[in-house]
Amino acid sequence: EVQLVESGGGLVQPGGSLRLSCAVSGFTFSSYWMAWVRQAPGKGLEWVANINQDGSRNYHVDSVKGRFTISRDNADSSLYLQMNSLRAEDTAVYYCVRDDPGYAAFEYWGQGILVTVSS
Amino acid sequence: QSALTQPPSASGSPGQSVTISCTGTSSDVGRYNYVSWYQQHPGKAPKLMIYEVNKRPSGVPDRFSGSKSGNTASLTVSGLQAEDEADYYCTSYAGSKGVFGGGTKLTVL
Repeated sequence: EVQLVESGGGLVQPGGSLRLSCAVSGFTFSSYWMAWVRQAPGKGLEWVANINQDGSRNYHVDSVKGRFTISRDNADSSLYLQMNSLRAEDTAVYYCVRDDPGYAAFEYWGQGILVTVSS
Repeated sequence: QSALTQPPSASGSPGQSVTISCTGTSSDVGRYNYVSWYQQHPGKAPKLMIYEVNKRPSGVPDRFSGSKSGNTASLTVSGLQAEDEADYYCTSYAGSKGVFGGGTKLTVL
């Protein structure tokens, strides 16, 4: 059974940092592109970042570029999102997703983790 | 990267068909056959319903179908059922990145 389990969310002050983790099981992690998708409270979905199988390529949405960094550890079957200089508008549920089948199609999702940026 | 454009709402009666549009640009929807659609019920993670414009993952009813013409993709739900009431999102590959639509709330009358 495919499982993606996010952790590391919570309440952080503006300007602060958080590192989200996603523990993956049930498939060969190193064979797939992975991504993060977020959803602000009561709002729509937003693609945040993705990373290729060996971590050599990664892309971020313009609104987080320079502040967030996606990474992965294939030995540990884990995906990460380092979030720095957090802003109120980063408040959202963050989902870890497997980027498959095809491109920008996400069949498997984690349960989501809430990040709240507030003073 | 601008979001894809979806109508905020759509509705239909049980048994009817409804089509939701998703308009992008020649850099995303118009350029790639990598449009996918998601269904999201309140408090739940999204569920993939259509990928690569018109393909259905295993387990998705054939009442759900997708198509594309130019810069606009469409999701059609035939034989509407009460459980189809949900938010629907489209997404497109845009060259190394993905872009979502703003979402459409489908109401079954």
